[in-house]
Amino acid sequence: DAMVIQNPRYQVTQFGKPVTLSCSQTLNHNVMYWYQQKSSQAPKLLFHYYDKDFNNEADTPDNFQSRRPNTSFCFLDIRSPGLGDAAMYLCATSAGTRTYNEQFFGPGTRLTVL
Amino acid sequence: SQQGEEDPQALSIQEGENATMNCSYKTSINNLQWYRQNSGRGLVHLILIRSNEREKHSGRLRVTLDTSKKSSSLLITASRAADTASYFCAPDEEAAGNKLTFGGGTRVLVKP
Repeated sequence: DAMVIQNPRYQVTQFGKPVTLSCSQTLNHNVMYWYQQKSSQAPKLLFHYYDKDFNNEADTPDNFQSRRPNTSFCFLDIRSPGLGDAAMYLCATSAGTRTYNEQFFGPGTRLTVL
Repeated sequence: SQQGEEDPQALSIQEGENATMNCSYKTSINNLQWYRQNSGRGLVHLILIRSNEREKHSGRLRVTLDTSKKSSSLLITASRAADTASYFCAPDEEAAGNKLTFGGGTRVLVKP
């Protein structure tokens, strides 16, 4: 089945220690998104790629970076995680057309910062 | 991109009852989408209603859209314990490109 896969599902890191979260998709979608979701809150968009074009949200901290080496994979790098970065990180994809722009989400990676 | 606002924030019902939640938004949209999120999981797309549609059905889900009032509602009929989840609306504005901004969600608890 076509899907969005996130690894790992749970990630524990130490304060200030860089961490990378990964996302892959078999949907061949043009657009990939990274969201941060804290407890009982809405997912908050960090950035997205349309193909290789990177689009950063204005309020995304510089501490967060992303890479998309090919259509299938996208990575979220947190350079120096703080306690406030503990959250669920969700990856999503969409076809990126005006007719079909539903988003398909992975199961998420829950990040704990010690 | 714009944020939908859901109402109520939380809803508790008995199995078999209907659950209704509402979404309001601020500006013109191409479509409005509803998503479900089970605890600790990713979001799942439920239904999309286009701006020229007024009502749409999918199984036990019924979505309405009133563009004059800038509001939408999601009705889950004959609820089941498995419907326990958070439900998010996401208005899609043309100017937003490929982005959606999710509202705070409605947390639905269906008691067996």
